[in-house]
Amino acid sequence: DAGVIQSPRHEVTEMGQEVTLRCKPISGHNSLFWYRQTMMRGLELLIYFNNNVPIDDSGMPEDRFSAKMPNASFSTLKIQPSEPRDSAVYFCASFGGGGQPQHFGDGTRLSIL
Amino acid sequence: GENVEQHPSTLSVQEGDSAVIKCTYSDSASNYFPWYKQELGKGPQLIIDIRSNVGEKKDQRIAVTLNKTAKHFSLHITETQPEDSAVYFCAAPTSGTYKYIFGTGTRLKVLA
Repeated sequence: DAGVIQSPRHEVTEMGQEVTLRCKPISGHNSLFWYRQTMMRGLELLIYFNNNVPIDDSGMPEDRFSAKMPNASFSTLKIQPSEPRDSAVYFCASFGGGGQPQHFGDGTRLSIL
Repeated sequence: GENVEQHPSTLSVQEGDSAVIKCTYSDSASNYFPWYKQELGKGPQLIIDIRSNVGEKKDQRIAVTLNKTAKHFSLHITETQPEDSAVYFCAAPTSGTYKYIFGTGTRLKVLA
């Protein structure tokens, strides 16, 4: 079975540039989560979707961050404009329902210079 | 809301010894507790989980115990091997949502 697929795996860009991270959830999973992982703050939930609808975006740090889920098989997390403090590993996870585990992708390591 | 505390933050054991990692949670309505293992450059991978209607679950060298009264759950790894070296996370759901709250992680080192 294909797991959660994220792209790109690594992204290095200069501050001020727009960054788009992509995620393909596991087929049949109807919930999708975006997390950010840093040494200082650990694993933070940014936003999650259920049936393609954003349910909770309280973890999105600023208006520079936005996320979309146009269909059940694709989601994007966009940062515009990017800043050095956005450097982190961003994970996407999907989930099939209550009492089930979230399944994580291998993340995008983002470096903003 | 849910709060999850995880201890210790680092743990070093000799190969063949056991390792125990503990988590406490605050939401008494939580009913599902997964444990994840994260290796370098990878995403967290589920290794074992437990539901609130059982007190213990085992899968080969890995076991999880749950004490609902005390609101804590633990991961036990027996006969540790170098490939067990990784960061381990516990998690608990926030009741009424699909959100998990993750512990801060335990870096386990198994010394050969």
